[in-house]
Amino acid sequence: DGGITQSPKYLFRKEGQNVTLSCEQNLNHDAMYWYRQDPGQGLRLIYYSQIVNDFQKGDIAEGYSVSREKKESFPLTVTSAQKNPTAFYLCASRRGQVEAFFGQGTRLTVV
Amino acid sequence: GNSVTQMEGPVTLSEEAFLTINCTYTATGYPSLFWYVQYPGEGLQLLLKATKADDKGSNKGFEATYRKETTSFHLEKGSVQVSDSAVYFCALSGNTGTASKLTFGTGTRLQVTL
Repeated sequence: DGGITQSPKYLFRKEGQNVTLSCEQNLNHDAMYWYRQDPGQGLRLIYYSQIVNDFQKGDIAEGYSVSREKKESFPLTVTSAQKNPTAFYLCASRRGQVEAFFGQGTRLTVV
Repeated sequence: GNSVTQMEGPVTLSEEAFLTINCTYTATGYPSLFWYVQYPGEGLQLLLKATKADDKGSNKGFEATYRKETTSFHLEKGSVQVSDSAVYFCALSGNTGTASKLTFGTGTRLQVTL
């Protein structure tokens, strides 16, 4: 079945550590997105990519990095520069201006 | 820039009550409009959409009409069920330029009780 897969579902990070969240899609979508969701808040855009080997910063890119080496994959690295990384992270993909499809999310907690 | 404003939650209703969740937007041109639903601990699922003025999106008893004159896309359901308890997000996608970003509202939590 086609879809978008995020892993892991839960992730724990120690202070000063970089962690990478995986996002894979087999929908043949060109565009992929990373959002951050905090309790009681909406979705805030971190990074997005409209084509392989190209990506743009969203509204809250500081402390995060991404790569888009393959159409299917758009991993997000949460670096030690992100001072408040505990949140729910959502990956999405879409084709053109139609609706986006979301993964099941990764809950990141700093320990 | 584009923006979406949703009514504050939580909205608490008894089963079989009528639901309205207000959504208004600001955008240039003719955006596409969406309602997404999020169940606890999960990602977002598309509930319905409308791509041009006066279109009505519908799914699972939910409806929303794209009103350009009032820049609104209010979500309605005639009779809610306990299983409808979730967070609902209104979103828009601009259709100008190459940046195909989705802009989301802050979400409205719906709680349905027996």
